[in-house]
Amino acid sequence: AQKVTQAQTEISVVEKEDVTLDCVYETRDTTYYLFWYKQPPSGELVFLIRRNSFDEQNEISGRYSWNFQKSTSSFNFTITASQVVDSAVYFCALSVLGYSTLTFGKGTMLLVSP
Amino acid sequence: DGGITQSPKYLFRKEGQNVTLSCEQNLNHDAMYWYRQDPGQGLRLIYYSQIVNDFQKGDIAEGYSVSREKKESFPLTVTSAQKNPTAFYLCASRPTGESYGYTFGSGTRLTVV
Repeated sequence: AQKVTQAQTEISVVEKEDVTLDCVYETRDTTYYLFWYKQPPSGELVFLIRRNSFDEQNEISGRYSWNFQKSTSSFNFTITASQVVDSAVYFCALSVLGYSTLTFGKGTMLLVSP
Repeated sequence: DGGITQSPKYLFRKEGQNVTLSCEQNLNHDAMYWYRQDPGQGLRLIYYSQIVNDFQKGDIAEGYSVSREKKESFPLTVTSAQKNPTAFYLCASRPTGESYGYTFGSGTRLTVV
């Protein structure tokens, strides 16, 4: 069975602060995919990134960066110089090769104040 | 543009009534999913279907039913047996043969009144 844990239920920061959202996953499979999604107040899920288990390179996209560490089963997400528009619920998710479903963490609500 | 359409966006239901949530996709995806979201609970899988005329229960299938008569459509019925149906429901689809490539609809918010 797969499991995704997002221990931070809610994070509040002031604009321009850096913030890291934690994600820890569990799976016995060697081939898997990790995802981050953003859910703004409107409700739709916005895809941010996908990483497969064989690619441990960190990734940076603008103010967003992701740190994938297989040794600690973590896939953390950092927002640099946060902005009010970053306020949303962020979900980490896992899918396993050959298994059809996507397993989500419980989400972290990020509130960025001006 | 290809995508998933969920309707309606908001739905109100009286206790004891069945209600059906619509999910249509024009992405030619084989697999489709229904997730339920409650505050602080993340997204939990209700049902999924990998092919027409076949579907499997997810983690919280009790009180729900689905059908998959067409590749494009995967409606979800919330029955009166569902004890706490008020929630946000998300539909998703995925191409066959991939463990990624999920596309999500914009959701239906169901409220029991």
